[in-house]
Amino acid sequence: DVVMTQSPLSLPVTLGQPASISCRSSQSLVYSDGNTHLNWFLQRPGQSPRRLIYKVSNRDSGVPDRFSGSGSGTDFTLKISRVEADDVGVYYCMQGKDWPWTFGQGTKVEIK
Amino acid sequence: DVQLVESGGGLVQPGGSLRLSCAASGLTFSNYWMGWVRQAPGKGLECVATISKDGSEEYYVDSVKGRFTISRDNAKNSLYLQMNNLRVEDTAVYYCARNYGHCFDYWGPGTLVIVSS
Repeated sequence: DVVMTQSPLSLPVTLGQPASISCRSSQSLVYSDGNTHLNWFLQRPGQSPRRLIYKVSNRDSGVPDRFSGSGSGTDFTLKISRVEADDVGVYYCMQGKDWPWTFGQGTKVEIK
Repeated sequence: DVQLVESGGGLVQPGGSLRLSCAASGLTFSNYWMGWVRQAPGKGLECVATISKDGSEEYYVDSVKGRFTISRDNAKNSLYLQMNNLRVEDTAVYYCARNYGHCFDYWGPGTLVIVSS
């Protein structure tokens, strides 16, 4: 299975400051169709996960533009330009290249 | 809006069986692959199974192969997960999700399965 490794696992942030989460895969996530199937989710406390970003850098409808995704191959990053209180929760990266699709361990973002 | 609502969770003894259901609305159900993802208490996410639009293809994570069966009824806009020979380690919230573009893009609120004696 493809192993997804996130860092850090805990991220205390100050409101209004930027935040960055790294995700590395054990193999390239470039699929035969040329797309890179790396996605980002946010799970707020007590809620089901909500997708934020798909195919590395595409924001889902309704996702604020302070969220951005980047990367290629096996190295990916989710950035929040200015953290707001609503951004608290656990962020997961997920690969959709090979079944079983697999998630990173999660990064818990909290306000300092 | 896409809505997915799971049901059927509960407490079951090890070795027992349970059938989860997912009612879908707000989408043309038969146009999408669907799947199940689970999350053990306080833990991360694990993709359990996925099924093709017409039900002809099924894929499972190794830990549930031979014990779980995913199925669907397109006439009823419903997805199912039959879970047999349940183990303590199957305890989790089970989410129904739409599979589109190599990702689970819409998720239900989940249903809790507890396997315990």
